Amino acid sequence: EAQVTQNPRYLITVTGKKLTVTCSQNMNHEYMSWYRQDPGLGLRQIYYSMNVEVTDKGDVPEGYKVSRKEKRNFPLILESPSPNQTSLYFCASSSNGPGTGELFFGEGSRLTVL
Amino acid sequence: GENVEQHPSTLSVQEGDSAVIKCTYSDSASNYFPWYKQELGKGPQLIIDIRSNVGEKKDQRIAVTLNKTAKHFSLHITETQPEDSAVYFCAATWGDKLIFGTGTRLQVFP
Repeated sequence: EAQVTQNPRYLITVTGKKLTVTCSQNMNHEYMSWYRQDPGLGLRQIYYSMNVEVTDKGDVPEGYKVSRKEKRNFPLILESPSPNQTSLYFCASSSNGPGTGELFFGEGSRLTVL
Repeated sequence: GENVEQHPSTLSVQEGDSAVIKCTYSDSASNYFPWYKQELGKGPQLIIDIRSNVGEKKDQRIAVTLNKTAKHFSLHITETQPEDSAVYFCAATWGDKLIFGTGTRLQVFP
């Protein structure tokens, strides 16, 4: 089954404790992206990757890091989480980029930073 | 940069009525406009999309219209059903990015 898998789905952590949210897709997609969803603000892009070893900032990259060492994986790293990073996070992928067709989303990871 | 405005933020309709959600975009170079549906506890899913060389596209009970001159595009859902209740997002491309609107929560009452 074609899917984007995120882990963990739920996480409560404390300020400053480094964490990683993993994302993996099994569709051999070139493009992967991370979004955060906050009430009233919709989906805002954090980082995206057009291919292996190619990453770019989205609209809200501050406080986040990503890497794309393999085509299927695109982890999101919070080096020193703060309460304003409490949010619902989505990983997404598409075959060649957001303008070429469907973006497939994971089920989401709800993060709470105390 | 690109900005996508979406209205209304909430919409309540009676089952069987139509629902319309409207979006405007700022960058005239945008050429791809998808609509996503997000059910409770799930990730968004593409329901319909339209490219800038087309004015209207229909898929069963849903349709999307695009007015490039006015930089408007709209989602139309006819004969609404309770399972249409969800959050809907419009989006527009901007270079390598897809910029989303702020979402519309649609509630369909039986």
